[in-house]
Amino acid sequence: DTAVSQTPKYLVTQMGNDKSIKCEQNLGHDTMYWYKQDSKKFLKIMFSYNNKELIINETVPNRFSPKSPDKAHLNLHINSLELGDSAVYFCASSQLGIYNEQFFGPGTRLTVL
Amino acid sequence: GESVGLHLPTLSVQEGDNSIINCAYSNSASDYFIWYKQESGKGPQFIIDIRSNMDKRQGQRVTVLLNKTVKHLSLQIAATQPGDSAVYFCAENMEGAQKLVFGQGTRLTINP
Repeated sequence: DTAVSQTPKYLVTQMGNDKSIKCEQNLGHDTMYWYKQDSKKFLKIMFSYNNKELIINETVPNRFSPKSPDKAHLNLHINSLELGDSAVYFCASSQLGIYNEQFFGPGTRLTVL
Repeated sequence: GESVGLHLPTLSVQEGDNSIINCAYSNSASDYFIWYKQESGKGPQFIIDIRSNMDKRQGQRVTVLLNKTVKHLSLQIAATQPGDSAVYFCAENMEGAQKLVFGQGTRLTINP
């Protein structure tokens, strides 16, 4: 019974390609997030959605486009991949409100060659 | 064993000893703090949280201490076990911002 799941777990691709990462949560949460973790383990928020609406959009290149078809899903599409996009991407979800624990998925390790 | 904020990212302790992981947070307006544990190859996992109207909170084998005067947060793990080996992150949420800002992380290793 996976609470927050992501696919794929590993993604290896060439520079310039377009790729997507999918995320699903079965916790009934209203809010979902994408985080990027670099090689030094630094974890930084990229986006958050509440009930399919974008509420946080950090300074992220517009090659990154999140899409939320429903409140249980938040996908991340990346255009024209660059070497610097190599990282582990985590999806998370929580109930609406700042005092609520965020539940993280297992991560997708993206390697751009 | 004890780590010092973000300047000492690795902490080694003997199995059975207590561990103290420290975190210096950045914003005096932050009002909610969380500790996460991240094991190798996995996503961060919630350990314990604390709101700014408290200075101490206890869980099972873990205690979080908050000192708002010096903007310092610590995680104490009692009787450290091999399964506690992981990277530990503190995270802060600024009042009204609805987003978590994570610290650098401290890697905890357990010596048998």
